[in-house]
Amino acid sequence: QQQVKQSPQSLIVQKGGISIINCAYENTAFDYFPWYQQFPGKGPALLIAIRPDVSEKKEGRFTISFNKSAKQFSLHIMDSQPGDSATYFCAARSLQGAQKLVFGQGTRLTINP
Amino acid sequence: EAGVVQSPRYKIIEKKQPVAFWCNPISGHNTLYWYLQNLGQGPELLIRYENEEAVDDSQLPKDRFSAERLKGVDSTLKIQPAELGDSAVYLCASSLLAPGDEQFFGPGTRLTVL
Repeated sequence: QQQVKQSPQSLIVQKGGISIINCAYENTAFDYFPWYQQFPGKGPALLIAIRPDVSEKKEGRFTISFNKSAKQFSLHIMDSQPGDSATYFCAARSLQGAQKLVFGQGTRLTINP
Repeated sequence: EAGVVQSPRYKIIEKKQPVAFWCNPISGHNTLYWYLQNLGQGPELLIRYENEEAVDDSQLPKDRFSAERLKGVDSTLKIQPAELGDSAVYLCASSLLAPGDEQFFGPGTRLTVL
């Protein structure tokens, strides 16, 4: 299975709150899990990524939590700001074989001031 | 350093007409990708080039879509003839060498087929 399932489809958070977006995958061959941020009229841009040998990675206000046994990973945005309003995509890729990047369906995040 | 450049940014055509999109990757990036992004969806890979060679075109609808990357630099994606269902954003991305390297995306071409 190549599918990556992402939820929720849309999310509204107050400024200063925590935004949480979840993803689940089925292919146990996936071994690289990036998150992309996309603003309207722009292409996706890599935000943060994790490999399954660690359970958490933090970069500034952005944290990925990874649960290998559950085949789930999530993005946490702490102290959410209006400038974080964008669409977020999780993705997964195997670093072997075809190495194809498979994207989730996206989450439209709105941070209210 | 310039990012991935795509043109045109927007294109409106009648169904059954041909259309072409152009992409210039980041200088020195050997791997180039074309993705299709439908409204409200994540990007889906159409084709991946390593230099001039198309190494993964399994998702490219070859009856109407074609792509080329002459000289291993810029690339063109063509649709002939276009159908209503082809309305979407076509994204180009590039990476330094292997697919394991970070992919940098262009702004995309938004195609509307009437």
